[in-house]
Amino acid sequence: GAGVSQTPSNKVTEKGKYVELRCDPISGHTALYWYRQSLGQGPEFLIYFQGTGAADDSGLPNDRFFAVRPEGSVSTLKIQRTERGDSAVYLCASSPHSNTDTQYFGPGTRLTVL
Amino acid sequence: GQNIDQPTEMTATEGAIVQINCTYQTSGFNGLFWYQQHAGEAPTFLSYNVLDGLEEKGRFSSFLSRSKGYSYLLLKELQMKDSASYLCAATNQAGTALIFGKGTTLSVSS
Repeated sequence: GAGVSQTPSNKVTEKGKYVELRCDPISGHTALYWYRQSLGQGPEFLIYFQGTGAADDSGLPNDRFFAVRPEGSVSTLKIQRTERGDSAVYLCASSPHSNTDTQYFGPGTRLTVL
Repeated sequence: GQNIDQPTEMTATEGAIVQINCTYQTSGFNGLFWYQQHAGEAPTFLSYNVLDGLEEKGRFSSFLSRSKGYSYLLLKELQMKDSASYLCAATNQAGTALIFGKGTTLSVSS
């Protein structure tokens, strides 16, 4: 696969449930980012990984949100006790080495919390 | 603080030229990015400016003035497929991620 892939493409869940969103970056890219995009807004930064470690998680809105990247490739964004306000498109991006490289985005996961 | 401003909407006709402006205020600066996003799709990279001046790439050009905190994206010979949202972004203070504007929705009509 040439690009960033994300699964699922759509996720509908009920308020209070737990969800996991997966991102598979471009092969060899060491930097990985999660963003959240609401309708009519630009993407909003959540967290940045360099390799396996979270280099900057200052964008995570609260402690219900958590992300991991255990082997430095695939990443999972985990949301506990989902709320209706969590509904958005969750975008993943990767870049070759560092945060100053061009970021390439995946198609996103549309999360709807009922 | 971090702030990116760009117009909400613009309209133009096929074959015309349009300029989308962006002003930014960032504590740290590592370059200015432009992305294109069609409805329901991922943002795709258009251009990156780190030095002052104009960068030309086919029908699209991007300009940066660091002293003025200003950039623009110039689209020439507009086509219907250019109808999309155009996102201006700059690196955050920590230099770890991008801060995006709300995007400019461009509608191209025949």
